[in-house]
Amino acid sequence: GAVVSQHPSWVICKSGTSVKIECRSLDFQATTMFWYRQFPKQSLMLMATSNEGSKATYEQGVEKDKFLINHASLTLSTLTVTSAHPEDSSFYICSALDRSKNIQYFGAGTRLSVL
Amino acid sequence: AQTVTQSQPEMSVQEAETVTLSCTYDTSESNYYLFWYKQPPSRQMILVIRQEAYKQQNATENRFSVNFQKAAKSFSLKISDSQLGDTAMYFCAFMKPGGGSEKLVFGKGTKLTVNP
Repeated sequence: GAVVSQHPSWVICKSGTSVKIECRSLDFQATTMFWYRQFPKQSLMLMATSNEGSKATYEQGVEKDKFLINHASLTLSTLTVTSAHPEDSSFYICSALDRSKNIQYFGAGTRLSVL
Repeated sequence: AQTVTQSQPEMSVQEAETVTLSCTYDTSESNYYLFWYKQPPSRQMILVIRQEAYKQQNATENRFSVNFQKAAKSFSLKISDSQLGDTAMYFCAFMKPGGGSEKLVFGKGTKLTVNP
């Protein structure tokens, strides 16, 4: 399957700081990428849809000023957690949509721990 | 809105045996895709198999096959000759293509344990 690279895999930060997570599509151009959050032993919760060259579309209840998404190129989307707090600690996963196959390929995820 | 239901929170199977995971969905769409993804302890989401709704033939990928019943809105996954590496969470997912935002709608998942 196609490769989607997500970095970092694990980040620890102090409360009040911002953290940026990168998601890169290595094998194909992805005009659309997605950001998910996953709580322990639960399914994936879609946070936002990231479209290249336009503003992200956020799901209901997701603070867009808290979770900034930038999709400046066809292979890179970033998620910035601004002024992180302990309740933002979670597992964040990105995916990239291969439109030629109608398949989403996933990154390996980022574990965020806010102290 | 589409919904996906996985009614088996946990299942276990002996190595080399066959196991079937259930999934039902609800939609009014006629054109869509269905997927099974696995998430092993590493938490990397891996595509197992994909089914296009307009194709009557059930998809197969090596030891993995599906039983797609469109009228019943059922999409079960059969794993043959189960291996220890199959131990993972399995998520069933629905996607409506086109429209500029091909979101995946996930079920809650089934935790599969393969025992030696």
